[in-house]
Amino acid sequence: QKEVEQNSGPLSVPEGAIASLNCTYSDRGSQSFFWYRQYSGKSPELIMSIYSNGDKEDGRFTAQLNKASQYVSLLIRDSQPSDSATYLCAVNGGTALIFGKGTTLSVSS
Amino acid sequence: GAVVSQHPSRVICKSGTSVKIECRSLDFQATTMFWYRQFPKKSLMLMATSNEGSKATYEQGVEKDKFLINHASLTLSTLTVTSAHPEDSSFYICSASPPGLEGNEQFFGPGTRLTVL
Repeated sequence: QKEVEQNSGPLSVPEGAIASLNCTYSDRGSQSFFWYRQYSGKSPELIMSIYSNGDKEDGRFTAQLNKASQYVSLLIRDSQPSDSATYLCAVNGGTALIFGKGTTLSVSS
Repeated sequence: GAVVSQHPSRVICKSGTSVKIECRSLDFQATTMFWYRQFPKKSLMLMATSNEGSKATYEQGVEKDKFLINHASLTLSTLTVTSAHPEDSSFYICSASPPGLEGNEQFFGPGTRLTVL
């Protein structure tokens, strides 16, 4: 069965620090990877997608993909209290995405 | 990004009644939509894949007779919770993927919070 694993956290970082969120996946054939942010009581919001090995940067967010290690990460630079949320890693499992259980990030001011 | 809407955003009903939730893709056509359920402080759980013009595909453990899915057009899928009970109280979220995207990115609706009394 295809699986996506994340540390549930909570991950606590001070404001201005770098938050590092990690994800591993079981299906070596996966080609598409996504990070979603979910605020409490709200639905998930797509923040990053990555398809090739290496880094992809978008503002304060950097997604990193290592297909050989089956590992995806999300770095958030200059973390802000508004970044406090649950971050879901998702992997394309065919028609549907396979989601991890999410990592809760708490940024303290 | 693509826009997916849901209606209603919140519903409270009595035990034994049925509730219909609508999911619409506003600026694209979606042959496939997905329905998720999320209990408080729990992870997102895929319930079923809604296919336009054909039967939905349900995940293991999801009762197809209780959660009726209809995908009658390329922009609308509905989920009907039949004979709802308090244990069905949850956050129901749909998603869809616009055609032509590289990696099958999914965009979520805002969700429907169901409370069954």
